[in-house]
Amino acid sequence: GNSVTQMEGPVTLSEEAFLTINCTYTATGYPSLFWYVQYPGEGLQLLLKATKADDKGSNKGFEATYRKETTSFHLEKGSVQVSDSAVYFCALLSGTYKYIFGTGTRLKVLA
Amino acid sequence: GAVVSQHPSWVICKSGTSVKIECRSLDFQATTMFWYRQFPKQSLMLMATSNEGSKATYEQGVEKDKFLINHASLTLSTLTVTSAHPEDSSFYICSAREAFSYEQYFGPGTRLTVT
Repeated sequence: GNSVTQMEGPVTLSEEAFLTINCTYTATGYPSLFWYVQYPGEGLQLLLKATKADDKGSNKGFEATYRKETTSFHLEKGSVQVSDSAVYFCALLSGTYKYIFGTGTRLKVLA
Repeated sequence: GAVVSQHPSWVICKSGTSVKIECRSLDFQATTMFWYRQFPKQSLMLMATSNEGSKATYEQGVEKDKFLINHASLTLSTLTVTSAHPEDSSFYICSAREAFSYEQYFGPGTRLTVT
């Protein structure tokens, strides 16, 4: 079946450091891929998405490229801020219209 | 656009009582709504899918008699936790999807604490 694997957290970085959160997936067909962010005590907010191979999603300085050959959708940001501290979820959406979420990666950015 | 609200944002109830959580799509018609449960520091687990005007489809292992879902209109779905127990304490998140669209929009979540 479909699945999403994210790197274990927590990830602790200093402000302005480079961020990579790895995400790989297993799916039949051609899923859409998403990154969601969850701030403390809140629901999920869509950060970015990509709907087909080689698409790059980007938003607020974050980027992720849909790599079909490596079945990956790694999240990157060149310079993190304290306000980026949150939990990040990688997810895929298949033809069943059901999201499959990764386990989430907690990011903590220190000033 | 595409805003989903939940009410209440947090609720405390006594063991044995029932509590209702509302999920509303504010600026679109949600033909399908989803209910998720999230345990502390864990991912979201899909509990059930509801289509407007029909019975909800529950995921394996979710007790349909305990978690009653009603999707009576295109903008409102409710989740009722019946005879709540402390192990039902969790963060419940809903999402909504328009007809002919694959993307879901998530609500802010409801934190339930059963004492």
